[in-house]
Amino acid sequence: EVQLQESGPGLVKPSQSLSLTCSVTGYSITSNYWGWIRKFPGNKMEWMGYISYSGSTSYNPSLKSRISITRDTSKNQFFLQLNSVTTEDTATYYCARSGLGTFAYWGQGTLVTVSS
Amino acid sequence: ETTVTQSPASLSMAVGEKVSISCKTSTDIDDDMNWYQQKSGEAPKLLISEGNTLRPGVPSRFSSSGYGTDFVFTINNVLLGDEGIYYCQQSDNVPYTFGAGTKLELK
Repeated sequence: EVQLQESGPGLVKPSQSLSLTCSVTGYSITSNYWGWIRKFPGNKMEWMGYISYSGSTSYNPSLKSRISITRDTSKNQFFLQLNSVTTEDTATYYCARSGLGTFAYWGQGTLVTVSS
Repeated sequence: ETTVTQSPASLSMAVGEKVSISCKTSTDIDDDMNWYQQKSGEAPKLLISEGNTLRPGVPSRFSSSGYGTDFVFTINNVLLGDEGIYYCQQSDNVPYTFGAGTKLELK
């Protein structure tokens, strides 16, 4: 059974970078698509982007050039980096396996607070 | 970008009643709509995927319909365990977008 687990700092200062890791077990990240989704206080959900089985990426234009999703296939992990964060990036961040746009498997989520 | 407009924002229902949630999209997405349930403190759970397809293990009380720009999610005979937030999400085009969510409470 595929399982995903997010990890990373729970507190990030404004203007710094947010970095999260998603560790995957039970399924190879060299198959399918692997994405990041966040849920803001107030329940709004936003798809951030994905990295594909081949390593290609697609990002939400709303995040412009701030986002990068990479992977380490030897560890079966993929990563999120979001630069120049503000308080508006405070959210619960989820990693998920997607068959392109359908998110069938999710991590439990990790709360990241942006505050000085 | 496809905007997804979900309504209502909240529902308060009695056990056994029928729940209906609407999602309308700003572009034609065929039947590329997914529905999720999120209970408090948990990750979202995919209930219904593209083509109005019920996921394995999901009770048949849950269903959806729609094509193009208008979609409806239904829970027949709602139970106490169905409380949570329900989201629709279009998977037709990038960026994938979600509805604002419907909070379901049971009386």
